[in-house]
Amino acid sequence: SQQGEEDPQALSIQEGENATMNCSYKTSINNLQWYRQNSGRGLVHLILIRSNEREKHSGRLRVTLDTSKKSSSLLITASRAADTASYFCATDTGGFKTIFGAGTRLFVKA
Amino acid sequence: GAVVSQHPSWVICKSGTSVKIECRSLDFQATTMFWYRQFPKQSLMLMATSNEGSKATYEQGVEKDKFLINHASLTLSTLTVTSAHPEDSSFYICSGGLAGTSYEQYFGPGTRLTVT
Repeated sequence: SQQGEEDPQALSIQEGENATMNCSYKTSINNLQWYRQNSGRGLVHLILIRSNEREKHSGRLRVTLDTSKKSSSLLITASRAADTASYFCATDTGGFKTIFGAGTRLFVKA
Repeated sequence: GAVVSQHPSWVICKSGTSVKIECRSLDFQATTMFWYRQFPKQSLMLMATSNEGSKATYEQGVEKDKFLINHASLTLSTLTVTSAHPEDSSFYICSGGLAGTSYEQYFGPGTRLTVT
C-alpha cells in the first residue's frame, strides 16, 4: 500500500508564481525525499530531508518536514515552464524501502 | 551523481512471450536494487527488492513466478516478465541503492513495455 498522499493532485500556475505541494504519510520515517518526473521519463532526485530536520533548501526549492503531523511540503519559487512535471514524495521507513506518494502534476504556463 | 541505466528503453512484445529488462549501475556498486511499476498517470509501485546474490523480496500482490528478478552482481539486476499479457503493459523503473547513511536511490530512465 502507498505510504504517502499528496495534494493537490494537479496544480496549474503562471510562470513566476510559487508552487506548493503537500505530502502526508502514515508511519514513522527515517527520511523523506522529493522527486520530479517529466512525462514518460525516469525520476530525478530533488532533495532529501531527514526525520530530525525541519527545513531544507536547494536553489529554488524549499522543503519542510513536520514529523508530528506526518507531513511535508515542497515549495518551488519563481516557477518556470520547465518546472512542468509530476512531483512525488517518497518515504524511507527503514532498510532502504521507499514508498511513493500519489504525486502532484504541476503545469506552469508561460 | 550515480548513474543507473536500463535496457531496453522501450519494447513491444506479443502476448505469451517473455521479456527481459536490464538495470545497471554504471559508476557505483548497488548493494540493493529495486523494481517499480508505473501505470499511466499513477505513482510508482514497488514490485520487489533485491540484494546481490540473494533472492528478491516481492511486495504483496506481485507474482514472483511471473516477474523473475536476478541480481547476479553489484552492478546488474534483471527483471524478466514471463508469459506477458496486455495488462503487464506498463513503465518499469529500477533503482540502485547506495549503502550508507543517506539511503538515496538512483533511478534508471525506465523501460516502456507494451504487450500486444
